[in-house]
Amino acid sequence: ETGVTQSPTHLIKTRGQQVTLRCSSQSGHNTVSWYQQALGQGPQFIFQYYREEENGRGNFPPRFSGLQFPNYSSELNVNALELDDSALYLCASSIDRVGYTFGSGTRLTVV
Amino acid sequence: DQQVKQNSPSLSVQEGRISILNCDYTNSMFDYFLWYKKYPAEGPTFLISISSIKDKNEDGRFTVFLNKSAKHLSLHIVPSQPGDSAVYFCAASGMGNAGNMLTFGGGTRLMVKP
Repeated sequence: ETGVTQSPTHLIKTRGQQVTLRCSSQSGHNTVSWYQQALGQGPQFIFQYYREEENGRGNFPPRFSGLQFPNYSSELNVNALELDDSALYLCASSIDRVGYTFGSGTRLTVV
Repeated sequence: DQQVKQNSPSLSVQEGRISILNCDYTNSMFDYFLWYKKYPAEGPTFLISISSIKDKNEDGRFTVFLNKSAKHLSLHIVPSQPGDSAVYFCAASGMGNAGNMLTFGGGTRLMVKP
């Protein structure tokens, strides 16, 4: 399978709820990064996983957490959702942290 | 603290003419720069990149110029085509950036008119 697949494509949640977003990377891609893109802005780095361990983190609170699995899939979990968490969430995968391929994103709306 | 800035939110160009998109950065540790193109409902697609040891990189209609002393890079598209209409993001990475994380600018929406 080629490309990076994200699910779901759209999601509506209520403030205070928890959400899990999923990403399926290309086979062999041992690095996955997650980005948040607010409306009208560029993507902002949330964190990166390399070989199933967190490898770097941006300026996001601990309620943003993630996991990377041996089958090259990953998850982004956000607890205690806030209205400002409404954004497009992008997953990007690569081999050894070089040459990222982005998925189409999950549009999260918090109401 | 916006380390990568794209000061023009939008640019309109006639088909066949040159499009020039600009990007400025502040972090001297950045040593690798990329341009991504993004269509609605799609993820960013890699376009072209440049290492800080170069001042120019060319790929077909796309050329990226890097001026390290000015901390400025630009993307030239010649000739511009209507299919180039998209949002273009400048991104940077480098030493000190955890795991080669990308720092993005805010994007420039390019509209190429037929």
